Amino acid sequence: QVQLQESGPGLVKASETLSLTCTVSGGSISSYYWSWIRQPPGKGLEWIGYVYYTGSTNYNPSLKSRVTMSVDTSKNHFSLKLSSVTAADTAVYYCARDATPAYWGQGTLVTVSS
Amino acid sequence: DIQMTQSPSSLSASVGDRVTITCRASQGIRNDLAWYQQKPGKAPKRLIYAASSLQSGVPSRFSGSGSGTEFTLTISSLQPEDFATYYCLQHNNYPRTFGQGTKVEIK
Repeated sequence: QVQLQESGPGLVKASETLSLTCTVSGGSISSYYWSWIRQPPGKGLEWIGYVYYTGSTNYNPSLKSRVTMSVDTSKNHFSLKLSSVTAADTAVYYCARDATPAYWGQGTLVTVSS
Repeated sequence: DIQMTQSPSSLSASVGDRVTITCRASQGIRNDLAWYQQKPGKAPKRLIYAASSLQSGVPSRFSGSGSGTEFTLTISSLQPEDFATYYCLQHNNYPRTFGQGTKVEIK
């Protein structure tokens, strides 16, 4: 059974870059799309984008100018960078497999402080 | 972007009730729709994909229907563990977009 685990700082200062990594276990990162989805406290879900195992990406246009996703097949993990963060980026960030995910990480809360 | 509109935004129901949640797409999405259940502090769990295909391991009291622009999730007999928030997700186009959620509460 594939498992995903997010890791990274839980607190990021405004205007800086949020960086998260998702480690995949129980299966190979190859041959799949890997997504990031976020959820502000008490609100709904927002799809951020995906990175394919080859490195190709597809980002939500609402975040495209600030998002970078990458994959490291040798480490079986993939990453998210979100630049120039503001308080509006405070959310639980989930990593997931596929663009219509059945497998999700547990989520990690990232708070942007001023 | 394709806009997904769920209704109602919340509902109160009793154990054993039949519950129906609707999701409408701003344009036709064939049957490219998934339903998720989310409990507080947990990641969403996929219940249905391709509008009506039941995810492995999900109880058969959950069912999905619809195509084009209108979709429904039905819980045939609500159980205590079904009190949660439900989201639809269109997987016809990018960016993927979710409905705003329907919170199912205990009456």
